[in-house]
Amino acid sequence: AQSVTQLDSQVPVFEEAPVELRCNYSSSVSVYLFWYVQYPNQGLQLLLKYLSGSTLVKGINGFEAEFNKSQTSFHLRKPSVHISDTAEYFCAVSDPRFSGGYNKLIFGAGTRLAVHP
Amino acid sequence: EAGVAQSPRYKIIEKRQSVAFWCNPISGHATLYWYQQILGQGPKLLIQFQNNGVVDDSQLPKDRFSAERLKGVDSTLKIQPAKLEDSAVYLCASSLDLEKGGTQYFGPGTRLTVL
Repeated sequence: AQSVTQLDSQVPVFEEAPVELRCNYSSSVSVYLFWYVQYPNQGLQLLLKYLSGSTLVKGINGFEAEFNKSQTSFHLRKPSVHISDTAEYFCAVSDPRFSGGYNKLIFGAGTRLAVHP
Repeated sequence: EAGVAQSPRYKIIEKRQSVAFWCNPISGHATLYWYQQILGQGPKLLIQFQNNGVVDDSQLPKDRFSAERLKGVDSTLKIQPAKLEDSAVYLCASSLDLEKGGTQYFGPGTRLTVL
């Protein structure tokens, strides 16, 4: 079964510094990969996703992620963070072979990004 | 465009009581999902509907949880009887259809506390 590991439960960073949130998944077969953000008391919002093609994916709010098949990783990066980026970030994987492609998402445990002034 | 609506936002009950959550997906979205998010964990899929049919309920504890989407629009998730370990946020999401890799849109969730 697929699994997702987010290597850092919390990442503190100063405003305007770069940040990388790490994500590894278990399968070496082709999968779809997602990053979602959850602000306090809100639902999850899609930041970006990788389905195929270019391994560098750009998303909303200046975030980008790089798919690395050999390392089964999909790390999220932002060159300069803002206070407003403080939130919980979830990496998720979907296996298109699963049950006829019913788009089931397997989530990691999340990384709490805390941006300090 | 209105997002996914959920109610109530918060619910506190005693163990062994029953509770129901309601979800109204984005208009026109055929696929609806219910997730359970326990504190400190990522969301876990409980059940997935395509219109009014169930396509995946493999992780739904069917002895106490039930869900329906009778008219293929809004949906209700019920727990009867509740246990302490059911304390969690219950998230509803919807997507346009079963397209592989399609974006799921999430509601704000219902935070359930079982005492």
